[in-house]
Amino acid sequence: EPEVTQTPSHQVTQMGQEVILRCVPISNHLYFYWYRQILGQKVEFLVSFYNNEISEKSEIFDDQFSVERPDGSNFTLKIRSTKLEDSAMYFCASSRGPPGYGYTFGSGTRLTVV
Amino acid sequence: AQRVTQPEKLLSVFKGAPVELKCNYSYSGSPELFWYVQYSRQRLQLLLRHISRESIKGFTADLNKGETSFHLKKPFAQEEDSAMYYCALSNQAGTALIFGKGTTLSVSS
Repeated sequence: EPEVTQTPSHQVTQMGQEVILRCVPISNHLYFYWYRQILGQKVEFLVSFYNNEISEKSEIFDDQFSVERPDGSNFTLKIRSTKLEDSAMYFCASSRGPPGYGYTFGSGTRLTVV
Repeated sequence: AQRVTQPEKLLSVFKGAPVELKCNYSYSGSPELFWYVQYSRQRLQLLLRHISRESIKGFTADLNKGETSFHLKKPFAQEEDSAMYYCALSNQAGTALIFGKGTTLSVSS
């Protein structure tokens, strides 16, 4: 069964540093998403991406965040200057269509900002 | 405001007992609702969606618009059902899912 792949599985970074989280969505999927889950809290929507542009973003997704699909297969989330409160599990997801189709999630990247 | 509420953080049952994981939502219009499951050390997986009216692994969920609920049910719980369950709602624009806080289901023998 096709999978969404995320790398790295765990990243530790110093406060103020830039991080790039990488995702390879399922190849015939058209919609891509990033979510995060702070420890003990719910899964929160960050951004959705379709047709090479952001289709929706949440309040969390401020100017420090950006997404890119640089080469038609990878889908990246960049955090420009990390803060302690960015520590969370970040999930990438993709779907064939809008959310009604159901997402396929990656296994997540645990980001720890120290 | 669009919101999903899962009132129980933890639900513990014995094997063979019926299970009901509660989900209430706040939404104006016709909602699209889902249940996702996360087994220990595994990724989030789609369990079922209300539009397909399916039964997966013995679980069903019925949309009750009057009570704005989408409770997940299984008549006889199995130990392998132990996992975190998330109820989710598609937003108005159809561009994102809004998740509840999740309920941990623990099934013991």
